[in-house]
Amino acid sequence: EVQLVESGGGLVQPGGSLKVSCGAFGFTFSGSAIHWVRQASGKGLEWVGRIRSKANSYATTYAASVKGRFTIFRDDSKNTAYLQMNSLKTEDTAVYYCSSRRWATVTTLENYWGQGSLVTVSS
Amino acid sequence: QPVLTQTPSASASLGASVTLTCTLSSDYSEYKVDWYQQRPGKGPRFVMRVGTGGIVGSKGDGIPDRFSVLGSGLNRYLTINNIQEEDESDYYCGADHGSGTNFVWVFGGGTTLTVL
Repeated sequence: EVQLVESGGGLVQPGGSLKVSCGAFGFTFSGSAIHWVRQASGKGLEWVGRIRSKANSYATTYAASVKGRFTIFRDDSKNTAYLQMNSLKTEDTAVYYCSSRRWATVTTLENYWGQGSLVTVSS
Repeated sequence: QPVLTQTPSASASLGASVTLTCTLSSDYSEYKVDWYQQRPGKGPRFVMRVGTGGIVGSKGDGIPDRFSVLGSGLNRYLTINNIQEEDESDYYCGADHGSGTNFVWVFGGGTTLTVL
């Protein structure tokens, strides 16, 4: 069974740091790009950033709203990706989802999502 | 980058059909769009990708045949036939833009589907 499981969310003060993990099971993790997408309460989806596979040099890209504060990295030996969040702001409060994306064929996208991890930034 | 526009809400009776629309901003008529289903309290789930020629690739795991897509001009449609209670969800469309360090993944604002 395919699963993405986020962990590590919680309450953090403004200006603080937090690391969220994303464990993968049941699919080709190493060949997949891993994205982080967040959703504030009652709001829509907002892309945070991605890390590509080894074949694409583990390249990372970030949304403008988090660039310079957030870092995405991965450990393929553990089938796990991470989102390191620094200099957190109250507006970063959201449920953070990891999502895997891999082109199984030229036209077929394989896309899975986790259940999310809540990050609350508050004093 | 494209802007994706969705109607905030839609409703349909049990067993009926409904079509949800995702409209791309002008100049992006060739873009493909992905549809996602998000049930209450759950993570999103990939439904399928759609371009102007219809579905691109395969449906996501476990997506029933009742779900279909079409694309025309700037619009990308998701149709659900024989609506069931479990279809009551938020539906988002999303699109990739750019590549490499210029890549962004943009989403529409979502449509909340209520099953009557």
